[in-house]
Amino acid sequence: EIVMTQSPATLSVFPGERATLSCRASQDIDSNLAWYQQKPGQAPRLLIYAASTRATGVPARFSGSGSGTEFTLTIRSLQSEDFAVYHCQHYNYWPLTFGQGTRLEIK
Amino acid sequence: EVQLVQSGAEVKRLGESLKISCKASGYKFTSYWIGWVRQMPGKGLEWMGAIYPDDSDARYSSSFQGQVTISADKSVNTAYLQWISLKASDSAIYFCARHDFGEPFDFWGQGTPVAVSS
Repeated sequence: EIVMTQSPATLSVFPGERATLSCRASQDIDSNLAWYQQKPGQAPRLLIYAASTRATGVPARFSGSGSGTEFTLTIRSLQSEDFAVYHCQHYNYWPLTFGQGTRLEIK
Repeated sequence: EVQLVQSGAEVKRLGESLKISCKASGYKFTSYWIGWVRQMPGKGLEWMGAIYPDDSDARYSSSFQGQVTISADKSVNTAYLQWISLKASDSAIYFCARHDFGEPFDFWGQGTPVAVSS
């Protein structure tokens, strides 16, 4: 089973600044990595897939990068609606696994 | 419009059985996997397993194998997650989500909260 490790657990950033979230896979997963955003009381929402492709309707301030075992989600110019929990997930093969999540909070 | 509509919140007692559902619409149900994801209070997402409704091929996480059963009825475009004997640790929100093979979850259900008490 591939273990996904996200860091940091909590990230405090001022609105308008940039946030950088990390996700590491215990094995090479090529680019089979997705990022999801989850707000309180809501289901997760797909943000990024194939490590760097934005899902439909996702603003351009969200970008993903990386391949193999190291991945990054960058959010430029943070808006109030961006403060949420972010989850990474590999879908390289069964079993699919998620990271433990990064909570992005307002500083 | 793709929609996954899950059954409502459940309050159950230890040892009871439960089956929750996820009804799909707006796409060809038999062409995509439906996965189930657990979220315990204040915690992250855990992939439990998935099913391909066309042939009911089911895959499970080792953590959930033998603890739950995933099934699907393609005549009513619905996937199910079932427990025979609930534990307190089964208290969580359960999400269903659609994905193509080798692709991420692109549509999610709204979640079904399950509370298990003694």
